[in-house]
Amino acid sequence: GQNIDQPTEMTATEGAIVQINCTYQTSGFNGLFWYQQHAGEAPTFLSYNVLDGLEEKGRFSSFLSRSKGYSYLLLKELQMKDSASYLCAVSLDRGSTLGRLYFGRGTQLTVWP
Amino acid sequence: DAGVTQSPTHLIKTRGQHVTLRCSPISGHKSVSWYQQVLGQGPQFIFQYYEKEERGRGNFPDRFSARQFPNYSSELNVNALLLGDSALYLCASRYTSNTEAFFGQGTRLTVV
Repeated sequence: GQNIDQPTEMTATEGAIVQINCTYQTSGFNGLFWYQQHAGEAPTFLSYNVLDGLEEKGRFSSFLSRSKGYSYLLLKELQMKDSASYLCAVSLDRGSTLGRLYFGRGTQLTVWP
Repeated sequence: DAGVTQSPTHLIKTRGQHVTLRCSPISGHKSVSWYQQVLGQGPQFIFQYYEKEERGRGNFPDRFSARQFPNYSSELNVNALLLGDSALYLCASRYTSNTEAFFGQGTRLTVV
């Protein structure tokens, strides 16, 4: 089966930096996604990493190491509105599972003033 | 450019009833996938369609079915609703199977 693991909860203060880790063991790999999801809303796309390395988009950065089955999402200059669940998802590349996304349970981030 | 649109946004049904959920992908996107998300969990894969053909099915009973139309929009049908089918149903749109995936706002289904 597919296994994607991320911490359940994290807390941080406004203006700080937080790193949310994700480890995965999957049968195949065709990219890793990070999504932000506020309570009761749909996931919002943050990043898509296919190759190893760091990708930066404003206050958000995402890192991937395929050999280690590891990714992280880095959030800088935290704001109250960043309080949300952050979902890690792996896209598979094999046969009938091509393009299918497998999600972790999500990391609930709470930002305190 | 319109994003992924889903309808309806909220729905209340009674056990045993049938429901149809609809999704319109981003213009030009040919791949549509459906996910079920229950409270406190990540989304679970239900179906994937690409170019109007089913390309994958998750571990869901036969009560769940879907199809994709020539304009790439899609429907998810669920028969004989159970209380456990209450969830947020999400539609994801991709240009191909190895590009970014974007979600619609979801349909909140409550079965009573």
